[in-house]
Parts: sequence; C-alpha cells; structure tokens
Amino acid sequence: DADVTQTPRNRITKTGKRIMLECSQTKGHDRMYWYRQDPGLGLQLIYYSFDVKDINKGEISDGYSVSRQAQAKFSLSLESAIPNQTALYFCATSGYEQYFGPGTRLTVT
Amino acid sequence: GNSVTQMEGPVTLSEEAFLTINCTYTATGYPSLFWYVQYPGEGLQLLLKATKADDKGSNKGFEATYRKETTSFHLEKGSVQVSDSAVYFCALSASGSARQLTFGSGTQLTVLP
Repeated sequence: DADVTQTPRNRITKTGKRIMLECSQTKGHDRMYWYRQDPGLGLQLIYYSFDVKDINKGEISDGYSVSRQAQAKFSLSLESAIPNQTALYFCATSGYEQYFGPGTRLTVT
Repeated sequence: GNSVTQMEGPVTLSEEAFLTINCTYTATGYPSLFWYVQYPGEGLQLLLKATKADDKGSNKGFEATYRKETTSFHLEKGSVQVSDSAVYFCALSASGSARQLTFGSGTQLTVLP
C-alpha cells in the first residue's frame, strides 16, 4: 500500500463550488504539507502542519483552507473554486525526508 | 529569501548520452539540497540528497555534488536510459532537513531510444 494517498485523483468542478481534497498517510509522521504544481513553476507550498494543533500558511494560502483531522489525515478545501486554481495538488508528509502522494488533478471550469 | 534556479527544459537526449541538469540556489546558512524525480502520473520521489558542502549524493547512477563556493548542485548521469524520462526538481531545505522545501521549476527530460 502507498505511504501517502490522495482522493480524489481527478476532479472537475465549476466556479464557485466548494471542494475538498483529502490526504492520508501511514508513515506515522507529524508533519504534513499541501503543495500546488503549475507547469513551469515547480511546487508552491499552500499550507503545512507540524501536528494536529499546529497549522501554518505557506506561500500561496489565499483561497484555501485546511483541516488536520488526525495525525494521519490532512484535508485541503477550496471554499469557492475559481479557474486559476486549476492545477495539480500534492500532499506530502515528512520525517527527515518528504514523501509525496500521487497528486490530485483539479480542473475548475 | 530562499530560492532555487534550475536549467530550463525540456531536455531531449539519446539513450546512453551524458546528462547534466544545472541547479543553483540562494539561501542563508547551510541548507540541505535535494533532487526529486517525478515520473508521468506519479508524485515526487527523492532521488538523492546532500546535507553539507562537498557532499556527493548518488542514486540509480545519478550524482550531484554540493558546491558551496558556487552555490550549485548540478545533477549528472553518465549514460541515460529511456526509463529516466521524467521531470527532475532541485530543492533546498534551509532548516537542514527535508521539512520545508523550496523547489526549482523542474526540468523535463526525454530520452529517445
């Protein structure tokens, strides 16, 4: 089984809709991250969490929110999706090394 | 702030060719440096890392040496294979561990048979 899983893997939604992306990890790590990947821009950090009670904004948190439901679960929400949030989203977890999920491809029409 | 600059792609090589992907960084202190690889349809995987100056990271025939004097961490492989086709990301962690990473923009490599 994969160490980091993301659901859904693909999602198409309309402008203005609320959407949640979910992430689960079996590494037992405290630290979890959400990144966004756009072509030619590498990965940009949206939010990160050092433990269940510690949530921090990353470089590009506007328009996003997160919830750390448990050590193993970290969800990303788009409260009102807009087309420029169309991207590939990755969840990651870290001890010394970061482990990435397979990504969620989100399209906002 | 911290930043990573990668050689722009895409890069197309023939099988068995020599590969170099350039990476330079800006950071305060003594960052750790990483190369990640992303195969089509997958998440990023750590390829190699170096945690201090003059360290050489290596894995699967790839190598990169942490050069503090030139603030560089260039990725090299002596003989690429078709299976090496992927996107390669250089990254740094200023905290000295893989906790918060700053990524370069990625370099797409295509290897032709």
